[in-house]
Amino acid sequence: GAVVSQHPSRVICKSGTSVKIECRSLDFQATTMFWYRQFPKKSLMLMATSNEGSKATYEQGVEKDKFLINHASLTLSTLTVTSAHPEDSSFYICSATGLAATPDTQYFGPGTRLTVL
Amino acid sequence: DAKTTQPPSMDCAEGRAANLPCNHSTISGNEYVYWYRQIHSQGPQYIIHGLKNNETNEMASLIITEDRKSSTLILPHATLRDTAVYYCIVRLDGATNKLIFGTGTLLAVQP
Repeated sequence: GAVVSQHPSRVICKSGTSVKIECRSLDFQATTMFWYRQFPKKSLMLMATSNEGSKATYEQGVEKDKFLINHASLTLSTLTVTSAHPEDSSFYICSATGLAATPDTQYFGPGTRLTVL
Repeated sequence: DAKTTQPPSMDCAEGRAANLPCNHSTISGNEYVYWYRQIHSQGPQYIIHGLKNNETNEMASLIITEDRKSSTLILPHATLRDTAVYYCIVRLDGATNKLIFGTGTLLAVQP
């Protein structure tokens, strides 16, 4: 139980385009989802927290107009990287908490590797 | 949230127990100790968490000192697949509370 999926696993896009990443909780209802970013050889950095049906809360330094987060249902959150640039290339990982076996534990997706050319 | 201190790297022989230490001297009374691991190029995997008492599950054991200022994650019989970065994180309980990742310990299990 407590499985989180992400799609796509890898994406390559041109500079200036937008990319949408999906995060789904497959076997539980995720009341809260988190989005992280990880650069090579670095630790995970929290970008934002989203609760179903409400606006996301962004961490300091994360541009909310560039990283659009939607959490429209209890099983799906999306992160859209708008007008992507090479410096946005990173490993994006989501996590979810909610009505799982251990309710307050965050379960992570497998990550999405974004490369912006 | 309280910060944690972990050694940057450790080695362990395959089949032996791996003991990963973590210091969290500023932990508050209602903060839990969580352990996750991240295998290269994958999302983090939840291992175990605890508040005061020692905990054990199918993956590992968590030993928390009586003063709660440090803990040890024990993998009883390490395998090559246990090679990963292990993160010790203290966090308030509650679904909306954040996990703040430090740099973790890179455990290398040697054949």
